Amino acid sequence: EVQLVESGGGLVQPGGSLRLSCVGSGFTFSSYWMTWVRQAPGKGLEWVANMDEGRSEKYYLDSVKGRFTISRDNAKNTLYLQMNSLRAEDTAVYHCARGWSHHDYWGQGTLVTVSS
Amino acid sequence: DIVMTQSPDSLAVSLGERATINCKSSQSVLSNSNNKNYLAWYQQKPRQPPKLLIYWASTRESGVPDRFSGSGSGTDFTLTISGLQAEDVAVYYCHQYYSTPRTFGQGTKVEIK
Repeated sequence: EVQLVESGGGLVQPGGSLRLSCVGSGFTFSSYWMTWVRQAPGKGLEWVANMDEGRSEKYYLDSVKGRFTISRDNAKNTLYLQMNSLRAEDTAVYHCARGWSHHDYWGQGTLVTVSS
Repeated sequence: DIVMTQSPDSLAVSLGERATINCKSSQSVLSNSNNKNYLAWYQQKPRQPPKLLIYWASTRESGVPDRFSGSGSGTDFTLTISGLQAEDVAVYYCHQYYSTPRTFGQGTKVEIK
């Protein structure tokens, strides 16, 4: 059974940092592009970043470029999102999702709250 | 960026009736190289992650009931629920993966009338 489990969310002050993790199981993690999608409370879905299987291609939403870094460790079946210089508008549930195109599996998400 | 606009924002449909959700992209998501529309539909229920329903605009994901169907091409797409069931109450999103940044529609809330 394919599973994606996120962790690392929490309450952080504006300007602070967090690192999210997403552990994949039940599939060959190293064979898939992986994606981060976020959802602010009561709002819609917003694509954040994705990266290829081999860690050579990475793409970001403009509003997070220079602040967020997506990475992965295929030996640990883990996707990461390093988030620096956090802003109130980054408050959201962050989901990891499998795939470059459509996303057939999603994690439950981890809540990031940016507030003083 | 490709802007995805769904209509309506919400709709109430009687059980067993048809629900139709529209999605319009600000530019075509049809690839000339493979003639595929880079468009997916997701269903999201409260406190759950999105669930993939349809991809390539009209291909139903495995395990999705056949009352869900997708159609359209280029810039105009439709998700149809033929014979609404109580468990279909959810928010539905269209999603383009033709270009980066990927973008989603604002969502359409489907309720029972």
